[in-house]
Amino acid sequence: AQKVTQTQTSISVMEKTTVTMDCVYETRDSSYFLFWYKQTASGEIVFLIRQDSYKKENATEGHYSLNFQKPKSSIGLIITATQIEDSAVYFCAMREVTEGADRLTFGKGTQLIIQP
Amino acid sequence: GGIITQTPKFLIGQEGQKLTLKCQQNFNHDTMYWYRQDSGKGLRLIYYSITENDLQKGDLSEGYDASREKKSSFSLTVTSAQKNEMAVFLCASSRIRDREVFFGKGTRLTVV
Repeated sequence: AQKVTQTQTSISVMEKTTVTMDCVYETRDSSYFLFWYKQTASGEIVFLIRQDSYKKENATEGHYSLNFQKPKSSIGLIITATQIEDSAVYFCAMREVTEGADRLTFGKGTQLIIQP
Repeated sequence: GGIITQTPKFLIGQEGQKLTLKCQQNFNHDTMYWYRQDSGKGLRLIYYSITENDLQKGDLSEGYDASREKKSSFSLTVTSAQKNEMAVFLCASSRIRDREVFFGKGTRLTVV
């Protein structure tokens, strides 16, 4: 069963607007870590932001922020004031760390296109 | 700072051939991962390892073997290459519970 689900395959928005990308996850662990990464056109995978499951406050990093809704197992990525260079594929990921295990699972990705 | 080095960058193999991909990291990280990424698709976990000599299967381990003989290196073997195996293989590493997981630049596998 898929543990990290990104239902939006592609989103196109105008430059300087705000975009939200969705992600839902499944886990039995009480403590876990959620990440968003982006993959540039060159193939490089870049860390963007992380949310620890035990923290109630939504994480923010520059023009990235998260909408963490733990009861819904949801971790949305919000990008404000989008720029052309934000065009990339965005991956949601969940890290489950337990005794003897440290598994990092990715969603299928959402392609973001920023139009000038 | 540190770096993850994957070798080779490009690998061409014949159908049925056994092929090995290598990954080295100098971060002194505990956990290392191997992912497969098919063209235009997401990352699927093949194997991971939380310490030297530890191996744990991911969602896509069938047809692959892995080896972690040293903390700094993690190798992946395609036991019998298939034409539908053409993909980019990505290695990653992290300290347990660390903020970030770091990725190598990938090995592109082509099977002829």
